[in-house]
Amino acid sequence: AQSVTQLGSHVSVSEGALVLLRCNYSSSVPPYLFWYVQYPNQGLQLLLKYTTGATLVKGINGFEAEFKKSETSFHLTKPSAHMSDAAEYFCAVRFYSGGYQKVTFGTGTKLQVIP
Amino acid sequence: EAGVTQFPSHSVIEKGQTVTLRCDPISGHDNLYWYRRVMGKEIKFLLHFVKESKQDESGMPNNRFLAERTGGTYSTLKVQPAELEDSGVYFCASSQGLPGGRSEQYFGPGTRLTVT
Repeated sequence: AQSVTQLGSHVSVSEGALVLLRCNYSSSVPPYLFWYVQYPNQGLQLLLKYTTGATLVKGINGFEAEFKKSETSFHLTKPSAHMSDAAEYFCAVRFYSGGYQKVTFGTGTKLQVIP
Repeated sequence: EAGVTQFPSHSVIEKGQTVTLRCDPISGHDNLYWYRRVMGKEIKFLLHFVKESKQDESGMPNNRFLAERTGGTYSTLKVQPAELEDSGVYFCASSQGLPGGRSEQYFGPGTRLTVT
């Protein structure tokens, strides 16, 4: 079975500080891993994804995440937080069952950026 | 190209009433998914259509929920009768019908349902 754990439902950082949102997964097959972001009153937007190849993936708005198989982690980072980064972030794992994809999400982490 | 759209954006209904949510996928996307997020919890899969057929409805919570996708275009999700625990945000997503199902899911903005 596949599962996703996001540590910390709320994270606060100061503007300009490092952003680190944690995600650990459990998957019985090689995972496809995703980070989605939801800005207030908007839908889920794909931030970045890992499928195969390079384990450090870069996404939009300066975010990146590193797939660490030994740690079963896919933490999201950004060197310097901006006020516009305030949103809710979801880690997800995608797998295939019967030829079709299924996505399992974490519980989400709300990022607050303090001026 | 228009993205996935959902209607309404918000709905407030009383317990026992009926509500119908609508999702319009991206044109040409065969796969349509419904998800739900109850307050503070994870986004959970409800069901998956391939064209007009239900491929997987293992996530539907109970028989008060009925999803349809007539003609393989837009989909509706009806809750009848609504209960307090049905409150949450209902997301729709669509993806192309690529071989092996390895295509990206695009999400709509969600419908926030409040049952009072």
